Amino acid sequence: KNEVEQSPQNLTAQEGEFITINCSYSVGISALHWLQQHPGGGIVSLFMLSSGKKKHGRLIATINIQEKHSSLHITASHPRDSAVYICAVRVGNEKLTFGTGTRLTIIP
Amino acid sequence: GAGVSQSPRYKVAKRGQDVALRCDPISGHVSLFWYQQALGQGPEFLTYFQNEAQLDKSGLPSDRFFAERPEGSVSTLKIQRTQQEDSAVYLCASSLAAGELFFGEGSRLTVL
Repeated sequence: KNEVEQSPQNLTAQEGEFITINCSYSVGISALHWLQQHPGGGIVSLFMLSSGKKKHGRLIATINIQEKHSSLHITASHPRDSAVYICAVRVGNEKLTFGTGTRLTIIP
Repeated sequence: GAGVSQSPRYKVAKRGQDVALRCDPISGHVSLFWYQQALGQGPEFLTYFQNEAQLDKSGLPSDRFFAERPEGSVSTLKIQRTQQEDSAVYLCASSLAAGELFFGEGSRLTVL
């Protein structure tokens, strides 16, 4: 069983919809990262969280340490948001353990 | 440089060849990570350096894989006697200690 589980695996939505991607993990962590990867592209770090909530533009990330759960929200989604969103947790000696990603497609 | 730079971006190797993949981290970043990403999968940890010290190599899949960072900056991932299952994107990331991670564009290795 993967230490980091994401849901859904695939998500298709209409432009403008509110998007939620969930991440659950089973180990104690020092930080959780949300990453974005476009097809054929590199990985961009969106957020690094250890508690609470962070907001950047239309993106919001929350984490509940007690429940070992984090969510990534996208408001007013746009086709350029189409990408794979990856949750990764930092444990122990700083290495990241990655989820398998959520493939998001926003239809105009 | 402004970001993490990896080279080559694309490498095609015949089975049995040795390959070397280079990572130039952001200047001053003490932590450097190598990850392997197979098609359609999330990245998998390979190895981690803090400065020149390789603190964790538990993710290296076999003794054909070797990584070094001799001066605490540039790192090289070497794969000896490549096999088809080594085909993947190899990602390098760097950070200040326990800070935000910055990823390179990756090196896509195809073994024929």
